[in-house]
Amino acid sequence: QVQLQESGPGLVKPSQTLSLTCTVSGGSISSGSSYWSWIRQPAGKGLEWIGRIYTSGTTNYNPSLKSRITISLDSSKNQFSLELTSVTAADTAVYYCANNEGYWGQGTLVTVSS
Amino acid sequence: QTVVTQEPSLTVSPGGTVTLTCASSTGAVTSAYYPNWFQQKPGQAPRTLIYGTSNKRSWTPARFSGSLLGGKAALTLSGVQPEDEADYYCLLYYGGAWVFGGGTKLTVL
Repeated sequence: QVQLQESGPGLVKPSQTLSLTCTVSGGSISSGSSYWSWIRQPAGKGLEWIGRIYTSGTTNYNPSLKSRITISLDSSKNQFSLELTSVTAADTAVYYCANNEGYWGQGTLVTVSS
Repeated sequence: QTVVTQEPSLTVSPGGTVTLTCASSTGAVTSAYYPNWFQQKPGQAPRTLIYGTSNKRSWTPARFSGSLLGGKAALTLSGVQPEDEADYYCLLYYGGAWVFGGGTKLTVL
């Protein structure tokens, strides 16, 4: 069974870059036509789709975040990553990774604060 | 800006049936929007229930079903159990980008 685990700093300063990694186990990140997604959820609020990357490297991003996002994939490490630049307090949220087979990570809280 | 709308809250009695809906600001929801449904309980990550309008994951209980209803995506729970009390989110596809609905808080009472 595929498992996903998010990792990265829990605290990021305003204007800096948020960097998270999702490590995939129990399956290959490069298999078939899979795609790998990032989603976030501010405390007490709903889910927001951030973007996704296909095994081919093709990406799709949320238009409202597109100018600040980069999602990349490292097949050698069976990981994919999220970079979000110029963060503000509004980017404080639990960040989840997921795949197109319905599997989700447990989420990681990122707080933007000085 | 595309908006996906769900009922903010619904209440159902144990053993009853309830339908949650998911509407798009762009018009009628069709299978091309590839509706997905997720369940989230407090303090937990979301769990995928339905993909592609009506397809269930291996872990999706039989009492959950997805469909298109009156121009919306719909999630129907038949024979509701107390453990079904949760937040439910739909997700629609807009040609490269996905948009979540605001979620429905389902109370079993």
